[in-house]
Amino acid sequence: ETGVTQTPRHLVMGMTNKKSLKCEQHLGHNAMYWYKQSAKKPLELMFVYSLEERVENNSVPSRFSPECPNSSHLFLHLHTLQPEDSALYLCASSQDIGRADQYFGPGTRLLVL
Amino acid sequence: ILNVEQSPQSLHVQEGDSTNFTCSFPSSNFYALHWYRWETAKSPEALFVMTLNGDEKKKGRISATLNTKEGYSYLYIKGSQPEDSATYLCAFTTSGTYKYIFGTGTRLKVLA
Repeated sequence: ETGVTQTPRHLVMGMTNKKSLKCEQHLGHNAMYWYKQSAKKPLELMFVYSLEERVENNSVPSRFSPECPNSSHLFLHLHTLQPEDSALYLCASSQDIGRADQYFGPGTRLLVL
Repeated sequence: ILNVEQSPQSLHVQEGDSTNFTCSFPSSNFYALHWYRWETAKSPEALFVMTLNGDEKKKGRISATLNTKEGYSYLYIKGSQPEDSATYLCAFTTSGTYKYIFGTGTRLKVLA
């Protein structure tokens, strides 16, 4: 595998379910990001990790819980989501959180029923 | 609040036509402007990173220009092909931050 991968690619969950999104980067980068894209809206930054430390939580509700166990893996744990959380969730990585270019995964399309 | 505007939102062109789109961004505290090409169900792919006023970059039939004083960038596609069909995203970063501020994209459909 090369680049940034995300699993699953599609997810349907009920409001009482707990699920996790996984992101893996094979680029040796030190920074990882979660973005959300809702319909007709721009990509919104949710969380940023640098060297496994969270450096940004962009006012995201606590029903979204990120985890970065090492610099190659990033998870987004989901629980008691709302239908308005249905969106495309993209992961990205960069060499560091300075000025380095961000490389994106293909996203997970989430539907909350 | 920093805002990035892209226009048009979508367009259809015939194969062989040339086309261009606009990305407008705040001109103060500019650091870099990024263009991405995003095909459906795939990862956004970086096209260009532009940092200097007057920058022009080219990759094959695709080129981009940058005007940081007035806060806009143009992306040009010469002789569009069906494989150019995608959403073209721009993102802007300011000095002193790593955050990308994205536009909503221009969705291009090239008709054979």
